[in-house]
Amino acid sequence: GNSVTQMEGPVTLSEEAFLTINCTYTATGYPSLFWYVQYPGEGLQLLLKATKADDKGSNKGFEATYRKETTSFHLEKGSVQVSDSAVYFCALMGYGGATNKLIFGTGTLLAVQP
Amino acid sequence: ETGVTQSPTHLIKTRGQQVTLRCSSQSGHNTVSWYQQALGQGPQFIFQYYREEENGRGNFPPRFSGLQFPNYSSELNVNALELDDSALYLCASSLTSGRSHTQYFGPGTRLTVL
Repeated sequence: GNSVTQMEGPVTLSEEAFLTINCTYTATGYPSLFWYVQYPGEGLQLLLKATKADDKGSNKGFEATYRKETTSFHLEKGSVQVSDSAVYFCALMGYGGATNKLIFGTGTLLAVQP
Repeated sequence: ETGVTQSPTHLIKTRGQQVTLRCSSQSGHNTVSWYQQALGQGPQFIFQYYREEENGRGNFPPRFSGLQFPNYSSELNVNALELDDSALYLCASSLTSGRSHTQYFGPGTRLTVL
């Protein structure tokens, strides 16, 4: 079945450091891929998405490229801020069935220190 | 345009009781999905409603049930509560149209079962 694997956290970085959070997936067909962010005590916010191979999603300085050849969707940011501290979830949505459900990774906690 | 809202924010129940959680979908959306997020885990799909019909279900027992109303708002009902039902319950709304099914989440309801 479809699944998502994320790098385990926590990831601890200093402000202005470069961020990479790895995400790989297993899916049949051509799923859509997403990154969601969850701040403490809150729900999930959509950060970015990509719906086909080689698409690059971007938002708020974060980027991720849909790589079908490596089944990956790694999240990157060139210079993190303390306000980026949160849990980041990689997710996929497959197609072909009646239900468009999201399958999530286990999440990666990012802690940015001043 | 209002976002996804959920009520209540927090809820404490005892084992064996029943609970109803509510969700108002984002304006223009016709599909509601419910997820359970245990502490430290990624969200798990419970079920989805489209045009007032259940449109897919995850690996949850029948004591988890739901409704969608003509205005596309939704309820999640859980009977015979168990300790393991303690979690953050997230509602997500989307527009089922073509290939775009991006889901937008509400802030969640934190359920504690004692």
